[in-house]
Amino acid sequence: QVQLQESGPGLVKPSETLSLTCAVSGYSISSGYYWGWIRQPPGKGLEWIGSIYHSGSTYYNPSLKSRVTISVDTSKNQFSLKLSSVTAADTAVYYCARLGWFGEFADYWGQGTLVTVSS
Amino acid sequence: EIVLTQSPGTLSLSPGERATLSCRASQSVSSSYLAWYQQKPGQAPRLLIYGASSRATGIPDRFSGSGSGTDFTLTISRLEPEDFAVYYCQQYGSSLLITFGQGTRLEIK
Repeated sequence: QVQLQESGPGLVKPSETLSLTCAVSGYSISSGYYWGWIRQPPGKGLEWIGSIYHSGSTYYNPSLKSRVTISVDTSKNQFSLKLSSVTAADTAVYYCARLGWFGEFADYWGQGTLVTVSS
Repeated sequence: EIVLTQSPGTLSLSPGERATLSCRASQSVSSSYLAWYQQKPGQAPRLLIYGASSRATGIPDRFSGSGSGTDFTLTISRLEPEDFAVYYCQQYGSSLLITFGQGTRLEIK
């Protein structure tokens, strides 16, 4: 059974960098599939942030591209998200997910972690 | 960027009734790359349908997806109490970009 678990600070100050990690168990990232981050502001809908392949190839939401970096560490079977220059608008529940073999849909999700941007 | 518009915003029905949720795309979407999710309060979304019409593992057969081009539909044949939730459609397009619809809230009448 594939399981994903997000971890990282729940509170980030404005203008700083949000950093989250997703630990994967039950499947080796090196074996394939795309992996990604999706967020959901309180009371709002879902927004795709970006995706990564085990080789390190990345694809980002154009609206966030200038501030986002997603990386993968196959030795630890985890991948990470960095979002720079955060504002209150970045306050959201952040989910990590396994995307399809070609990155086309999310079949396994982490439980999500709330990140609040506030001074 | 392909924009997905879901309708209605809120759907009020009773258990046992049939639910029909719509997802319209601003440009043609490959049927292979249209998915539906269910989200309950405080939970992560759950994949229901992928490839426009294929049910994900463990999804009851009362859930079905259909459509092509720019118009897609999620149908729940007979609503169970646990089906009342928010539903999102999602597409996967060129450059591996993913977009979601704004969601349809299915509430108990």
